[in-house]
This record gives sequence, structure tokens and C-alpha cells, in this order.
Amino acid sequence: LAKTTQPISMDSYEGQEVNITCSHNNIATNDYITWYQQFPSQGPRFIIQGYKTKVTNEVASLFIPADRKSSTLSLPRVSLSDTAVYYCLVGGAGSARQLTFGSGTQLTVLP
Amino acid sequence: DSGVTQTPKHLITATGQRVTLRCSPRSGDLSVYWYQQSLDQGLQFLIQYYNGEERAKGNILERFSAQQFPDLHSELNLSSLELGDSALYFCASSLYKAPTDATGELFFGEGSRLTVL
Repeated sequence: LAKTTQPISMDSYEGQEVNITCSHNNIATNDYITWYQQFPSQGPRFIIQGYKTKVTNEVASLFIPADRKSSTLSLPRVSLSDTAVYYCLVGGAGSARQLTFGSGTQLTVLP
Repeated sequence: DSGVTQTPKHLITATGQRVTLRCSPRSGDLSVYWYQQSLDQGLQFLIQYYNGEERAKGNILERFSAQQFPDLHSELNLSSLELGDSALYFCASSLYKAPTDATGELFFGEGSRLTVL
């Protein structure tokens, strides 16, 4: 079972780049790393997914080192609406193992 | 809108009672997952079904059970309810089951908020 560790909270200011790191020391060969965003009383929403190196989409980048024991979600130029909990999830959606979310990182963007 | 429908949105009941939460996955999705989120807690994986069969089991209590029906909707049954069962229960769905699936995005519903008094 791939356990993940994230910082509990982070503060940032509008317009800054935010990097949130997730540690997953016992990631399995077939595991992907996926990040989700959750607003209060809503279901999590997919942000980005990767297996190795770097992945970029229109909202974020995901950096994964060669050993894959950690990953970093990078949010460029955050705004107040990016205030949310960010979860790192390790596994494969089709895997027969648990899809375990980390404890999440509460990101607060300040004006 | 994720395409995943959960009912009821809110449910208030008493200790000792039994409730059923229902989830309709996105059209075409074969996997259904159930998660529990208590106040200020993270998402706890309960159970996963794929095409009607149990595929993975997490920290699901013996008082809880689930199933996925031939039309792929799923139900989570919670019995002998306790105060500590009060939580948001999320259902998610995804299409793939292959362990090397590269597009394993989970689509979450809006959740069912259960309050046990």
C-alpha cells in the first residue's frame, strides 16, 4: 500500500508559484501519481497525472524525479480561487489495490 | 458536473438505524469507488467494484456493505449507525481497470452527507 505524506498546510500570495510536494517512498512499479483538488463540501477534481519526469497541462505541472519516491505539484500564478485542499494519490485506477489519498495540503492563497 | 450522481445529497438519521446510499457512475465507466470523509479528515477508501465484482477493499467496517448492480450503479449500505459514522460519503467512477492504466482519472460525485443523531 503506497502511503503518501504531504505538508498539512501552505500559504501563498496571489500571483505566486506554489509547489506542493508529496512523498511516496513505497510506490509500486505500476503506480501512477495523480493530484486532485477539493473545495469544501465538494468531491475532489482531477488536476494532473504522471508516471515519471515532467507533465504539464493548462493548469499545473507535475515533476517526478527518477526514483519516483516523491512528486511536486506546481501551480503557476495562483489566485484566490485556488484556495483548496490538494491531494496526492498513488496507484492505478484499475489496480486491485486501494487507491489511497494522502492527508492533503490545505493551500490558502492570500490577497 | 462530473457525470457521477449520488443520492440522497443529505440524510439525517438516528443511531442504530440503517441507510442506503446510491451512486450512478458516468456513462460507460465500469469501476465504482466509495470514500468516506469525516469532518476535517482526509478521504478514506472504503471499497471498489469493477463491472459488478469487488476489486479492492479498504477500511470498510463490517457494519457497512456495498454492491454494484448489472446496470453498474452501486449502493453503500450502512447499518447499526453510530455517531462517528456521520460524514460525507463520496462515490467515484472510472473507466479502466488495467494496473498500467495511464488515464486513471477518478470522477467524483458531489457526495452524500450523512448525519447520525
